[in-house]
Amino acid sequence: AQSVAQPEDQVNVAEGNPLTVKCTYSVSGNPYLFWYVQYPNRGLQFLLKYITGDNLVKGSYGFEAEFNKSQTSFHLKKPSALVSDSALYFCAVRDLNYGGSQGNLIFGKGTKLSVKP
Amino acid sequence: EAGVAQSPRYKIIEKRQSVAFWCNPISGHATLYWYQQILGQGPKLLIQFQNNGVVDDSQLPKDRFSAERLKGVDSTLKIQPAKLEDSAVYLCASSSRFTEAFFGQGTRLTVV
Repeated sequence: AQSVAQPEDQVNVAEGNPLTVKCTYSVSGNPYLFWYVQYPNRGLQFLLKYITGDNLVKGSYGFEAEFNKSQTSFHLKKPSALVSDSALYFCAVRDLNYGGSQGNLIFGKGTKLSVKP
Repeated sequence: EAGVAQSPRYKIIEKRQSVAFWCNPISGHATLYWYQQILGQGPKLLIQFQNNGVVDDSQLPKDRFSAERLKGVDSTLKIQPAKLEDSAVYLCASSSRFTEAFFGQGTRLTVV
């Protein structure tokens, strides 16, 4: 079965410092990986995805993620955190067993990012 | 482009009552998903439609939950009768062959 794990419930960072939110995955075959962000009382907003190609993926709001096949990881990163980045972050993998390239997203439990001034 | 629209935003009902949620996906998106997000957890798929056909409903509690997508556009998710453990945010999302999934703002259901 395909799955993702987010080992940290919360990440605390000072504004201006780099941030990393961790994600590891378990899939059969090539992974389709995603990061979403959720602000309070809002739906999920897409940040970035890895399907194929360069291991370093750039996304919205200055975020990037590095795909590492040997470590089965897809960590989210940002060089300089902002207070406004404080939110809940979800890693997800596409389930290719149903619906192929449109298969549903299997989400991690989420990591709460707190950026302090 | 307009996003995924959901209504209502909030709903409070008593247990054993029924409730329905509505979703209008992004125009042209053939795939529609309903997710349940319980507080402190990641979203979990309830049902996925491709046009008006069901692709995956393996995690839908079919004794109380039902969903339909008439004409391959709008969708309705119904719970009857509701239980306390159904309290959650219900998220609708849509995608096309060439895009990631776009989510609506969700409906927060409280069952008392």
